[in-house]
Formats: sequence, structure tokens, C-alpha cells
Amino acid sequence: QVQLQESGPGLVKPSQTLSLTCTVSGGSISSGSYYWSWIRQPAGKGLEWIGRIYTSGSTNYNPSLKSRVTISVDTSKNQFSLKLSSVTAADTAVYYCARDRRKTINLPVTTYVIDYMDVWGKGTTVTVSS
Amino acid sequence: QSVLTQPPSASGTPGQRVTISCSGSSSNIGSNTVNWYQQLPGTAPKLLIYSNNQRPSGVPDRFSGSKSGTSASLAISGLQSEDEADYYCAAWDDSLNGHVVFGGGTKLTVL
Repeated sequence: QVQLQESGPGLVKPSQTLSLTCTVSGGSISSGSYYWSWIRQPAGKGLEWIGRIYTSGSTNYNPSLKSRVTISVDTSKNQFSLKLSSVTAADTAVYYCARDRRKTINLPVTTYVIDYMDVWGKGTTVTVSS
Repeated sequence: QSVLTQPPSASGTPGQRVTISCSGSSSNIGSNTVNWYQQLPGTAPKLLIYSNNQRPSGVPDRFSGSKSGTSASLAISGLQSEDEADYYCAAWDDSLNGHVVFGGGTKLTVL
């Protein structure tokens, strides 16, 4: 079964760029109609969706983070990555990667989206501190 | 401030039925389906319910979901001690080019 593993520096200095990679194993990142997402969770707080990428390169970002976020994919390495620029202490969190399944349902009178994250990595802690 | 609104806490005794609510708006729950995630202490979130009321393989049928208008609910029947966890609702939001929104989470305590 597909497994995800986050990796990257656990400590980043303020104003620098946080860079994380998620390695997909047990399946090809290019197979199926999947998006690949990043989510974060500050200690003791709730989940915040950061953004996602499709293997075509198409992306969606959280509007509140969009100006600082870049998500990319490397299909040859079966990986996708997150870059978050100009970090502050508020970016300290556990960062998760996840597989995102999406289906658009078109009915005669309406269209709606089924969109959910069914496989998650274990998470990696990133601390922003000098 | 989360886009989706959940009660911060809920509780019940073993065997009881508890429900957790999730309130949104026309651009998210009102337009798209709702998912629920369970996060046991110290672990990554796990998909519990997707597409309003569908259970992934392996999720006990004690867990059920429903949606009406711009609100959704997660029900847990036959409450067990191992159900003590944080529960998050989530949905796709059509505004601002589209993005995923989460509720603030509900901490369920089994008394």
C-alpha cells in the first residue's frame, strides 16, 4: 500500500525558507487521479491545509499562505516538495504530507466535489528559531 | 479562526452515542462533500468518513456521518475508550480559486 514520508530540516531560522520533501513509496506518484497535499499543525492547535499539486504541475494553495508557498513535484524521484519562504515563529508546526483524492460530480442541476485525503505521512516537526 | 466551526470538546461514557457538529457556509459544506478525520494522541490524522457518510475500509460502522445544508455531523455509537481523540471536519471551499478548509477540531473525552 502507498506510504508517505516527510523529510527535511527540523530547524529553520526566521526569514529563511522552509523546505520539505515527501517521498511516496508503494506506488507511483503519477498513477491514478491523485493530488498531493501539505498540511500543518502547530503544537496544541488544529490542522491547516497549505496546498497541493497534481502530477501535471497544477497547484492549489491556501489563500492565506499563497504568497509564500511553492509546491513542486518530481515524478522521477516519486517525490513532491514544499517551500515556504520568509518564515517566522508562527510557522513552527508539525508538517504532514498526504494523498488527496478528488472527483467532480456533474449532475443535471448541480456540480459538487468529493475531495479527501486518504493516506497521510507520519509528520515532521519544523521549528523556526534563531 | 477556522472556516468550519466545531465545538472544542465533547464527552461521553462507554457505550453512549455522541455527535460532533460542523458548521460551514454555501461555498464549502453547502456546495461540496464533508470529510472527517480522527487524530489519536501523538499520531497523524486518519481518514474516518469521506463524502459525507462513506467509511473507508477498516473503519467500524459505529462511526457515521451526515450532512444537511451547510452543516454536517459525525456520530459515534457504542463509544469506546479508544475513541478518545481529536476529530476534524473538512471540505473543499469553492472561493478564492478553491482550497481545503478544516474545522478547529473537537477533543472527544471518554469518561
